[in-house]
Amino acid sequence: DAGITQSPRHKVTETGTPVTLRCHQTENHRYMYWYRQDPGHGLRLIHYSYGVKDTDKGEVSDGYSVSRSKTEDFLLTLESATSSQTSVYFCAISPSDRANEQFFGPGTRLTVL
Amino acid sequence: KNQVEQSPQSLIILEGKNCTLQCNYTVSPFSNLRWYKQDTGRGPVSLTIMTFSENTKSNGRYTATLDADTKQSSLHITASQLSDSASYICVVSARGNTGFQKLVFGTGTRLLVSP
Repeated sequence: DAGITQSPRHKVTETGTPVTLRCHQTENHRYMYWYRQDPGHGLRLIHYSYGVKDTDKGEVSDGYSVSRSKTEDFLLTLESATSSQTSVYFCAISPSDRANEQFFGPGTRLTVL
Repeated sequence: KNQVEQSPQSLIILEGKNCTLQCNYTVSPFSNLRWYKQDTGRGPVSLTIMTFSENTKSNGRYTATLDADTKQSSLHITASQLSDSASYICVVSARGNTGFQKLVFGTGTRLLVSP
């Protein structure tokens, strides 16, 4: 998985609780992304980062926030989880936005009860 | 609206047989098209990437084609193996106004190769 780890790999939580997912890379790539994957939908971009402390919204950013204090770590936070946020979350990295491909992590399966 | 549609949704073939997966897109401005393989419980892994000027690209038993005029792509798998059982995702990259490449993902074709 191209030097990308995600933690936790599985999590079950209750509605209204805060949740933080972590993405860690060892490739020193500038760009990092958070996607969610749901049945019947292609992967959808939540947020991305183009450098330390530089982040921007994707197409489904409502209810999510991100932080990047180090090149290697990109955190996704659900301030107050809802059942609609039950999904599989993937982190991806690329050396630039003009890179020919993004490399994906193994995913985190999140269930919000 | 930028969209990527794939067909069929699912497919079962016998080991050793060939198959072709289809991808139609309405993404503009087009930058490149990629095919990813996603094993169950894993992240997607890139198989091929093609720019506007490329109309075919191979990666082992996988051959992708691109017709930029009709906005269609196909992924042909030759002599299928059990390990080819996975979802295959077509992804089209669009160049945004800020220069950022927006990826538009298809929902994938789930392939099962049966012994």
